[in-house]
Amino acid sequence: ETGVTQSPTHLIKTRGQQVTLRCSSQSGHNTVSWYQQALGQGPQFIFQYYREEENGRGNFPPRFSGLQFPNYSSELNVNALELDDSALYLCASSFSGGAAETQYFGPGTRLLVL
Amino acid sequence: DQQVKQNSPSLSVQEGRISILNCDYTNSMFDYFLWYKKYPAEGPTFLISISSIKDKNEDGRFTVFLNKSAKHLSLHIVPSQPGDSAVYFCAASATDNAGNMLTFGGGTRLMVKP
Repeated sequence: ETGVTQSPTHLIKTRGQQVTLRCSSQSGHNTVSWYQQALGQGPQFIFQYYREEENGRGNFPPRFSGLQFPNYSSELNVNALELDDSALYLCASSFSGGAAETQYFGPGTRLLVL
Repeated sequence: DQQVKQNSPSLSVQEGRISILNCDYTNSMFDYFLWYKKYPAEGPTFLISISSIKDKNEDGRFTVFLNKSAKHLSLHIVPSQPGDSAVYFCAASATDNAGNMLTFGGGTRLMVKP
């Protein structure tokens, strides 16, 4: 069974640029969630995708957007990068079957915005 | 407004003793609670969960206790091992939330001394 994978592992961008982060969900899972973890804090929910549609969103501006593909993999796109976007971005997958879900996390992508 | 709080940023325990990590929440709609362990440069690893219909769940050395009236949960690790040294996050979700988003606490760094 393959776990959640993310790419790239590290990324350096400059303010104003755009970035795309990628995630492959664990086999058998149909839902992907994205979180941002700033240094010294817990992860903060960005949004979740289920059946290729956004299925909930946290308190993040529209310049944070995403996609989910038919194979349940996902992308997180961030436009007009700001210095405060520097963080660890975590992807988690789960199976949505109507009951409480356990989300399983990938290793994360560390983004540095200069 | 922090809905999930871990008031102890760090905890130091001797190997073989019990580690008790605490978590408080404010949102009465939360009905599913999880504990994750995180090593540096890795994503959070799922440890154990508990539904609000239970007050205790055990898995090997790990036990989670839920006190709904106090809106408090705790993770007990017995016996503690040096490999348990990591940051522990509690998380909560409400199954009727759009997206089943996880709300995380700020984490507690556990150090188990040999």
